[in-house]
Amino acid sequence: AQRVTQPEKLLSVFKGAPVELKCNYSYSGSPELFWYVQYSRQRLQLLLRHISRESIKGFTADLNKGETSFHLKKPFAQEEDSAMYYCALKSYNTDKLIFGTGTRLQVFP
Amino acid sequence: DAGITQSPRHKVTETGTPVTLRCHQTENHRYMYWYRQDPGHGLRLIHYSYGVKDTDKGEVSDGYSVSRSKTEDFLLTLESATSSQTSVYFCAITGTGRLNEQFFGPGTRLTVL
Repeated sequence: AQRVTQPEKLLSVFKGAPVELKCNYSYSGSPELFWYVQYSRQRLQLLLRHISRESIKGFTADLNKGETSFHLKKPFAQEEDSAMYYCALKSYNTDKLIFGTGTRLQVFP
Repeated sequence: DAGITQSPRHKVTETGTPVTLRCHQTENHRYMYWYRQDPGHGLRLIHYSYGVKDTDKGEVSDGYSVSRSKTEDFLLTLESATSSQTSVYFCAITGTGRLNEQFFGPGTRLTVL
């Protein structure tokens, strides 16, 4: 079964601290993985996707097929990073996304 | 915002009444989706559409129906609203091609009393 697990509902850190939001997936085959972010009172927007291997707003995420993980990392958190983060999985031959339950990141000054 | 709007943005209704939410896009994309967002559940797919009059069920389709008579509009109907359908509903679109992302609408907050 295809599944995305985000074990942390809430992650609280202080400004300048490193951040790691965990995402594990269950999928047989070649997954496409994404991180979406939802700032307060805004719509969801794509943060990054593993295919692009990009860094957006200082965030990176590496696909680890051995551990079936796609953790989101940032070395120095900023207050404006406070938001809801969703990990999502798309199977290769469809356009449907399967979302995790989300992690709320709170960055304190 | 990829040209996606949702209406209404907020609605309060009573149990047993029918409710229709509208998603409108100006990008002429084929694929459209309806999700609901609930604490502890994340986003769950309700229905989706691959084109005009081409729709299919998602993960949580019970109690919902959809229609797509035009490329730009995707309607979600709750035939008889229940309190368990109180949620925030998001519409999304995606273009063709494996690298195209999903773009989301602003959401509709529905409260069923």
